[in-house]
Amino acid sequence: DGGITQSPKYLFRKEGQNVTLSCEQNLNHDAMYWYRQDPGQGLRLIYYSQIVNDFQKGDIAEGYSVSREKKESFPLTVTSAQKNPTAFYLCASSILRGTGANVLTFGAGSRLTVL
Amino acid sequence: GQQVMQIPQYQHVQEGEDFTTYCNSSTTLSNIQWYKQRPGGHPVFLIQLVKSGEVKKQKRLTFQFGEAKKNSSLHITATQTTDVGTYFCAIGGSTSGTYKYIFGTGTRLKVLA
Repeated sequence: DGGITQSPKYLFRKEGQNVTLSCEQNLNHDAMYWYRQDPGQGLRLIYYSQIVNDFQKGDIAEGYSVSREKKESFPLTVTSAQKNPTAFYLCASSILRGTGANVLTFGAGSRLTVL
Repeated sequence: GQQVMQIPQYQHVQEGEDFTTYCNSSTTLSNIQWYKQRPGGHPVFLIQLVKSGEVKKQKRLTFQFGEAKKNSSLHITATQTTDVGTYFCAIGGSTSGTYKYIFGTGTRLKVLA
C-alpha cells in the first residue's frame, strides 16, 4: 500500500529538549510538507520541500528545522526554541505538475505534548 | 501572502438539515481544493475546482467556485452523522511559482441525531 507514514504517533517531551518527527512516503511524490494544527484550529504551514536537498520556510518556521536528504523522507525537528510546541503535526506530500494544483496526501499525524 | 477566510467556524445542525461553509479570498485564485478531517483523523482530499463558476457534485455534497474565482462554497444536503468533521478549503499549488498550500481555518460540523 502506498502512503505516508508518520512516527511516533504520540510523543511527550520535557521543556528544553529537541524532538524529531519522522515522515516517510512511498508514493514517489516530489513535494513534501509539514503543517501544525492546534486544537480547534486550521493547518499552518511550517516548511515545505519541492526537491531533494531544498526546502522553504512556511508561515511559522521559527523554532523548527527540516532536512530533505532523500525523496522519500522529510523529518521535522522541533527545537527548544519553539515556545509553544504542543500541537498535532501533519506531514503531507504531492506530485508536482507544471500547471494547476496538486492533491495533498496526508499522514496520520504526530501528537506532541510538552510536559 | 495569500490568505483565505472560511466561515462559519462552527456549525451544529440537526440530522437531515442542510449545511454550507464558505471560503473567501481577496485575490483571484487559480484553483481551490476542499478537504475533510474526521475527529481525531487527518485531512482527506474531497475535490478541486479550477474553472470560473464551476459546480461539482459528490452525492449529497455540492461544491461551487465563484464567477470571479475569489470564493467557493461547500453545501451538504440532508446531513448525516457521517458528515461530522472539519471541512477545510485550501489554495495554492503552482500559482505563485511555488507549491505552497494555504488552508482556511476550517468549519467544524457537528450533526445532532
